[in-house]
Amino acid sequence: GIQVEQSPPDLILQEGANSTLRCNFSDSVNNLQWFHQNPWGQLINLFYIPSGTKQNGRLSATTVATERYSLLYISSSQTTDSGVYFCAVGGGYNQGGKLIFGQGTELSVKP
Amino acid sequence: EAQVTQNPRYLITVTGKKLTVTCSQNMNHEYMSWYRQDPGLGLRQIYYSMNVEVTDKGDVPEGYKVSRKEKRNFPLILESPSPNQTSLYFCASSLWLNTEAFFGQGTRLTVV
Repeated sequence: GIQVEQSPPDLILQEGANSTLRCNFSDSVNNLQWFHQNPWGQLINLFYIPSGTKQNGRLSATTVATERYSLLYISSSQTTDSGVYFCAVGGGYNQGGKLIFGQGTELSVKP
Repeated sequence: EAQVTQNPRYLITVTGKKLTVTCSQNMNHEYMSWYRQDPGLGLRQIYYSMNVEVTDKGDVPEGYKVSRKEKRNFPLILESPSPNQTSLYFCASSLWLNTEAFFGQGTRLTVV
């Protein structure tokens, strides 16, 4: 099945710093999403980005499907950005359409 | 507001006492699924449904049941909960396969 790897596993930033999170996947995919799991456990949609680039405020994401990776950029980080960031890819019809998640990047932003 | 609503958010129960976690979506999505999240194991799919009255097993279906009698609702049933079902559970919906998925707020279940 498809493997999803995220890096780095942990990241500590000072408030105001920028960061780049990476997601590599082992096969071509039609679906890639980025989520933020906040300290209360909620999974928040950040981007649905099978290919191309999207921006939402201080966050942006780029997926290069042909090279099997996606990047999440966080600029001017804030303490509220802390939590775990997951990328997930669609497993396709023969895998029941499930989302296959990476192990996450745990981000801690210090004031 | 478009959303997926799970209830309850938190639940502590005893071994063997049947329980149901409800999930409802208001986006007219065809595809719904349940995941559990455990430390070190990540998020794993329990069951999924591609349409009303169509459900199928995911990766970890043992000990769970689901039903899809209406498009908007997809309850998760634990007929006889055991401590190894203590976990954080998420319901998700999407228009169809490989489309943007939306997750509920999560249900933190503890079985003692």
